[in-house]
Amino acid sequence: QKEVEQNSGPLSVPEGAIASLNCTYSDRGSQSFFWYRQYSGKSPELIMFIYSNGDKEDGRFTAQLNKASQYVSLLIRDSQPSDSATYLCAVNKDYQLIWGAGTKLIIKP
Amino acid sequence: DAEITQSPRHKITETGRQVTLACHQTWNHNNMFWYRQDLGHGLRLIHYSYGVQDTNKGEVSDGYSVSRSNTEDLPLTLESAASSQTSVYFCASSESGQGADEQYFGPGTRLTVT
Repeated sequence: QKEVEQNSGPLSVPEGAIASLNCTYSDRGSQSFFWYRQYSGKSPELIMFIYSNGDKEDGRFTAQLNKASQYVSLLIRDSQPSDSATYLCAVNKDYQLIWGAGTKLIIKP
Repeated sequence: DAEITQSPRHKITETGRQVTLACHQTWNHNNMFWYRQDLGHGLRLIHYSYGVQDTNKGEVSDGYSVSRSNTEDLPLTLESAASSQTSVYFCASSESGQGADEQYFGPGTRLTVT
């Protein structure tokens, strides 16, 4: 079992709909959770981080954390074609970040 | 504005040659990281540093080395390049928290070993 797991996709979502991206992790001691977006040929860029159980909202993005179930998700409301990218989940462990392999998201106009 | 730069952006080298990839950050971050990214593997940690004169091995450190002589730079050296080291290399930095804080990435170096 990988330490951080994501569905590789692609996940296809119509423009204007809600895109839901999920990530599960194995280390119950993890305290910090991050979502990055990576466009093809570019470097990862931070979207959001979350430390506490529950929801954290930033514009069209909402991160959800459930430590009991060991999953973290990212919701993108009113999806736009510019949201088409690979989304990477990262979880801290022993002062490092452990990365999922990413989910490719395609927003269809 | 603070940033991380990497050079070169593209490099083609031959098997057995020594190659050094540069990483320079102006964030004044203590922590710096080197990753490689290959299809199907995501980001894998090569080496990392929590400050000047501090270096540590990551998940895939064999065949790579780093040195940290100042806060701004963490060059990555491939001692004897192998075809298996063909990859995209990213440098990242973070402020504090022993690596648990969010990391900011450079633009990447695409390395091809022939």
